[in-house]
Amino acid sequence: GQNIDQPTEMTATEGAIVQINCTYQTSGFNGLFWYQQHAGEAPTFLSYNVLDGLEEKGRFSSFLSRSKGYSYLLLKELQMKDSASYLCVYYASGGSYIPTFGRGTSLIVHP
Amino acid sequence: SQTIHQWPATLVQPVGSPLSLECTVEGTSNPNLYWYRQAAGRGLQLLFYSVGIGQISSEVPQNLSASRPQDRQFILSSKKLLLSDSGFYLCAWRDRGLNTEAFFGQGTRLTVV
Repeated sequence: GQNIDQPTEMTATEGAIVQINCTYQTSGFNGLFWYQQHAGEAPTFLSYNVLDGLEEKGRFSSFLSRSKGYSYLLLKELQMKDSASYLCVYYASGGSYIPTFGRGTSLIVHP
Repeated sequence: SQTIHQWPATLVQPVGSPLSLECTVEGTSNPNLYWYRQAAGRGLQLLFYSVGIGQISSEVPQNLSASRPQDRQFILSSKKLLLSDSGFYLCAWRDRGLNTEAFFGQGTRLTVV
């Protein structure tokens, strides 16, 4: 994860909107993924971007700019259950496209 | 549908004891398989990955090893555990191809005492 940078922790209020940024450095880019991980549980897939632009999936949207090595995850209408760690992941090239994880952003949603 | 099974969920082992964690995938063929470790408050560190039976690539030198005796079976082992081996171990699979998401097992919480 040393080539992925995302904030360590963020806080937000229930019902609000929060944007979690991620910057990365890699050659042979093959997609940028976002995962959600609740404490003590395995990560679960949220969304991915291959091309530049915005992908929307319900309350979650993800944006990618390949030229800038930048992505963000946008969470709308925050709920308490959204309190979790959000992991930015890119696939490293080299034949097997290994998922490479950032350290994650711990999001705390307050009532 | 595809499923991934990883066991045990929790494990407490003494220093110097052996380790064997098993992961199996159902409902798919020729998956890429991965073992990750997550230390408390840290990101996922890739330990091993496999693109086929008997093909293991190691990312981090350590006293752990991995094997893939069957297409959908991935085993993480150690002959002698160290205190530093404590952590949350996750097995994952994904279909071959550029843009397929990874699916994770439930994880194994290993505490070496």
